[in-house]
Amino acid sequence: DAGITQSPRHKVTETGTPVTLRCHQTENHRYMYWYRQDPGHGLRLIHYSYGVKDTDKGEVSDGYSVSRSKTEDFLLTLESATSSQTSVYFCAISRAGSSETQYFGPGTRLLVL
Amino acid sequence: ELKVEQNPLFLSMQEGKNYTIYCNYSTTSDRLYWYRQDPGKSLESLFVLLSNGAVKQEGRLMASLDTKARLSTLHITAAVHDLSATYFCAGEQGGSEKLVFGKGMKLTVNP
Repeated sequence: DAGITQSPRHKVTETGTPVTLRCHQTENHRYMYWYRQDPGHGLRLIHYSYGVKDTDKGEVSDGYSVSRSKTEDFLLTLESATSSQTSVYFCAISRAGSSETQYFGPGTRLLVL
Repeated sequence: ELKVEQNPLFLSMQEGKNYTIYCNYSTTSDRLYWYRQDPGKSLESLFVLLSNGAVKQEGRLMASLDTKARLSTLHITAAVHDLSATYFCAGEQGGSEKLVFGKGMKLTVNP
C-alpha cells in the first residue's frame, strides 16, 4: 500500500467553524490531490498540488483552500464550514501526474452540523 | 471540459456470468483509469490505459481503451461474489494533471 495517511479520520463540527484536514505521504511523490466523494457525484477534485507551494484549483474549489509547505504534507482547510461540505474527503498522490495512477488515502468523514 | 459517463450505474448479476460495463467520455483523453471501491473503503487502482487500443487484464477483469470512440470497457468474465464493489473510471482533463471521474457503477454479484 502507498504510504498515505489522513487525519483526522472522522470529524464532527459546527457550521461556521474552521476545519483543517491533513494528508501525509511517505512516498516522496510530487503530486497530491484532494477530492470529495458524495452520493451520486462520484469523486470531484477540490485542489491539487504539483510541488511544494505549487497548487491549483479543481472542479469544486469554492470554500476550500490548501497549502503545501513540505513534500509530504498537503493540508485542506475549510475556512468556515457549511453543511454542504459534509462529505468524505480523499487525498491522493501520484509520482508523475496523470501519466501514472493516483494512490488514495483512507479518507476522512466530515459531518458539518 | 471533460465529462465521463458510466453505464450502467447499478448492475446485479449472477455468479458465473459475463458482462461488459462502459465508460464514455466527452472530449479527447488519451489516458483512462479504472478504480475499485469497496463499501466504506478507499479507492484501489485496477488499470491504467495510456494509449489507443490498450488492453489490460487482471484475473476476471479486462479493460480496453478506444480513444477514437472515446470509450473504455471493463469486461467481467465468470463473475464471482468477491467482485461486488463500485467501479469508477476516470479520464485525464485534456493536457492537465487532473482526473475527471465518472459517478461509479455499483456491481452486485449474487450466488
